[in-house]
Amino acid sequence: NAGVTQTPKFQVLKTGQSMTLQCAQDMNHNSMYWYRQDPGMGLRLIYYSASEGTTDKGEVPNGYNVSRLNKREFSLRLESAAPSQTSVYFCASSRRPGQNTEAFFGQGTRLTVV
Amino acid sequence: AQSVTQLDSQVPVFEEAPVELRCNYSSSVSVYLFWYVQYPNQGLQLLLKYLSGSTLVKGINGFEAEFNKSQTSFHLRKPSVHISDTAEYFCAVSDPGGTSYGKLTFGQGTILTVHP
Repeated sequence: NAGVTQTPKFQVLKTGQSMTLQCAQDMNHNSMYWYRQDPGMGLRLIYYSASEGTTDKGEVPNGYNVSRLNKREFSLRLESAAPSQTSVYFCASSRRPGQNTEAFFGQGTRLTVV
Repeated sequence: AQSVTQLDSQVPVFEEAPVELRCNYSSSVSVYLFWYVQYPNQGLQLLLKYLSGSTLVKGINGFEAEFNKSQTSFHLRKPSVHISDTAEYFCAVSDPGGTSYGKLTFGQGTILTVHP
């Protein structure tokens, strides 16, 4: 029972490079989310997908794009990485829009942009 | 917009002592409330949640929290902590409405350090 799986776990990028963070869940959840965690700021929502085929911006979407590839997978893309995007990124999923059961989180991707 | 304030960024405590981690939220409407725990280099794990009903909520690992609507607070407590409780704790809130889609607003986090 894997839950929410994120790849990679660690990544170092140079400024201007691009990369995609992958996320997959095996719990048949409808909703998926990407958060970033920065010291002293808690977690902030970047993008979310209420259900397959839909995506929407969260609190801090600038510099990111997302794709809900299918019900299981939700990827986050950095087109041109900047040092300000150095952070720990968490993917999460939950059962159904509006049902408000808890969100389940992946182990995180630690990204450093130099 | 909702906001969550965790009043202490760091809480040091000795083993077997009681602890309270404080959380206040700003919302005049109904909310769902959560406490998550993050152990070093790991993801977030749900400790407990308040959706409705009894204002005293019990969670895993002996933690409990009390929802106080008049004070818009949701403080986390444990009567006797262990070394293994050393972690960062996050309070979070979401809107029960269907269009919130389970989005969470998090507090800044409280680092609990339990000393022997």
